[in-house]
Amino acid sequence: KAGVTQTPRYLIKTRGQQVTLSCSPISGHRSVSWYQQTPGQGLQFLFEYFSETQRNKGNFPGRFSGRQFSNSRSEMNVSTLELGDSALYLCASSPRTDGNTIYFGEGSWLTVV
Amino acid sequence: GDSVTQMEGPVTLSEEAFLTINCTYTATGYPSLFWYVQYPGEGLQLLLKATKADDKGSNKGFEATYRKETTSFHLEKGSVQVSDSAVYFCALILNTGNQFYFGTGTSLTVIP
Repeated sequence: KAGVTQTPRYLIKTRGQQVTLSCSPISGHRSVSWYQQTPGQGLQFLFEYFSETQRNKGNFPGRFSGRQFSNSRSEMNVSTLELGDSALYLCASSPRTDGNTIYFGEGSWLTVV
Repeated sequence: GDSVTQMEGPVTLSEEAFLTINCTYTATGYPSLFWYVQYPGEGLQLLLKATKADDKGSNKGFEATYRKETTSFHLEKGSVQVSDSAVYFCALILNTGNQFYFGTGTSLTVIP
């Protein structure tokens, strides 16, 4: 059974540009969550989607957005990139919303220059 | 609010030494507790978890017991190996959703 797949794995963007990251959850999983990991702030929750609806959102500016498609695949978008957005972005999927059976992807490494 | 506090690193141990990484939590509800491990350049791997008080999670020689009275979930291993070198994250999740609250991570280096 394939795991959580994130694409692209590595990317470099210029300040002011926008970026879209993709996450394909494990087959049958309807919940997808996103996290940002930086050396200074650690792991911070961005948002969670379940059945195409955003269930929860972390404390990030509006430049960070996401969506989930009917096949449960999810994308997150960051507009007007800043140097501080350089981070590892992790996606996690789960079949339920009860806080159990959660699997993480390998992450997408974003560098903003 | 809900949060996790874990021991600051980095931690350096000799092979076969005993490991303890402290983790305490604050939660408004009844959380499940987790330890995740991250190897260089990789994502998060679940190491162990416990879903209720007095549960003990264990995996690969690592153990942690959910202590409600002390709001703790300390990670222990009796004899570490070089291959255990990684960053360890303590985390909690409330059973009302899938949002993790992570600690800041503890970097462990095991030297031969």
